[in-house]
Amino acid sequence: GNSVTQMEGPVTLSEEAFLTINCTYTATGYPSLFWYVQYPGEGLQLLLKATKADDKGSNKGFEATYRKETTSFHLEKGSVQVSDSAVYFCALRRDTGFQKLVFGTGTRLLVSP
Amino acid sequence: KAGVTQTPRYLIKTRGQQVTLSCSPISGHRSVSWYQQTPGQGLQFLFEYFSETQRNKGNFPGRFSGRQFSNSRSEMNVSTLELGDSALYLCASSLRAGAEETQYFGPGTRLLVL
Repeated sequence: GNSVTQMEGPVTLSEEAFLTINCTYTATGYPSLFWYVQYPGEGLQLLLKATKADDKGSNKGFEATYRKETTSFHLEKGSVQVSDSAVYFCALRRDTGFQKLVFGTGTRLLVSP
Repeated sequence: KAGVTQTPRYLIKTRGQQVTLSCSPISGHRSVSWYQQTPGQGLQFLFEYFSETQRNKGNFPGRFSGRQFSNSRSEMNVSTLELGDSALYLCASSLRAGAEETQYFGPGTRLLVL
């Protein structure tokens, strides 16, 4: 079936450190890939997306590249801020059939000053 | 443009009761999906509606139902509540149905079943 695997958290970093959150997926066909962020007490916000192989999504300094050969969509940011502390979810959506969003388990990021 | 709104934001019910949650999508969006978020199971898909028709349904018991109105607003209903139904219920809307469509989420309704 379709699934998303994320690295376990929490990820603890100091401000201005480099961030990588790993995400790999299993899916048939050519799914679209998404990163969502959830701040405490809030719903999910779309961070970025990519809809085909080699596409790079980017937003607010975050980037992720759709790598079909390694079935990965790792999230990166060059310099994190305390305000980036949140839970990050990787997700996929199939291009055919049952097109629900399939989420990973989420990775909590804690950034200290 | 206003985002997805969900009402109520918080709800406390007792076992056996029923509950109705409401979702108003972004103006012009015709697709609405519902998700349940719990610490143990994570984010799980409940159902998706497009133009008042249910397109997809997740693996939840029949106690969970939903509908969509002609103005794209959606409601979900849970009957005979169980303790395990305590969760954050998230609604998401998109312009159309389809894999490339971005789903925009509301703030959620937090349901506590006692």
